[in-house]
Amino acid sequence: GQQLNQSPQSMFIQEGEDVSMNCTSSSIFNTWLWYKQDPGEGPVLLIALYKAGELTSNGRLTAQFGITRKDSFLNISASIPSDVGIYFCAGQLGGSARQLTFGSGTQLTVLP
Amino acid sequence: DAGVIQSPRHEVTEMGQEVTLRCKPISGHNSLFWYRQTMMRGLELLIYFNNNVPIDDSGMPEDRFSAKMPNASFSTLKIQPSEPRDSAVYFCASSLTGRFSGANVLTFGAGSRLTVL
Repeated sequence: GQQLNQSPQSMFIQEGEDVSMNCTSSSIFNTWLWYKQDPGEGPVLLIALYKAGELTSNGRLTAQFGITRKDSFLNISASIPSDVGIYFCAGQLGGSARQLTFGSGTQLTVLP
Repeated sequence: DAGVIQSPRHEVTEMGQEVTLRCKPISGHNSLFWYRQTMMRGLELLIYFNNNVPIDDSGMPEDRFSAKMPNASFSTLKIQPSEPRDSAVYFCASSLTGRFSGANVLTFGAGSRLTVL
């Protein structure tokens, strides 16, 4: 099956700093999704990317769908304490959410 | 919309007991998924329903696990008998299948944290 490598596994940053995390795959995907999971909650969708090369922003978050369709990155600018959580990338090949592959997550800690 | 509703949020039980987890998907969504999350294995898809019919249960770990979706607004995941290695957070998620913007994107519930002693 498809495998996603998500890095880094964890990050400790100072409030106000920018953050970057990425996912790479050995296979191509048609859709890339980025989710955030707060402690004790389920993952919540942050950004969905549907086209190779697509760059999409959602507030302080920016994500890109790699041109090779095998990678994606997520940037968070000017981090704040509520950015703490686990960020998951997910790649989808077909037209069904059943064909979703999740990365292992990036645990983000923002220090005041 | 209230989102995907799961219950219970926390369950502590003893080995050998039956556990039933419940899920109410988002109204109008036609696909429902059960996931298990552990530190070691991350998010694992257990079973997927489309229009209330189980389509893919290849992720169900063993016969002790079963899932049902009697109607479009309710699903259960049952473990009988439970074992300590079943301790995990179980998520239900739903989506609307289609070829339009926003389709096929999962919305997760808050999860049910299961501890089997």
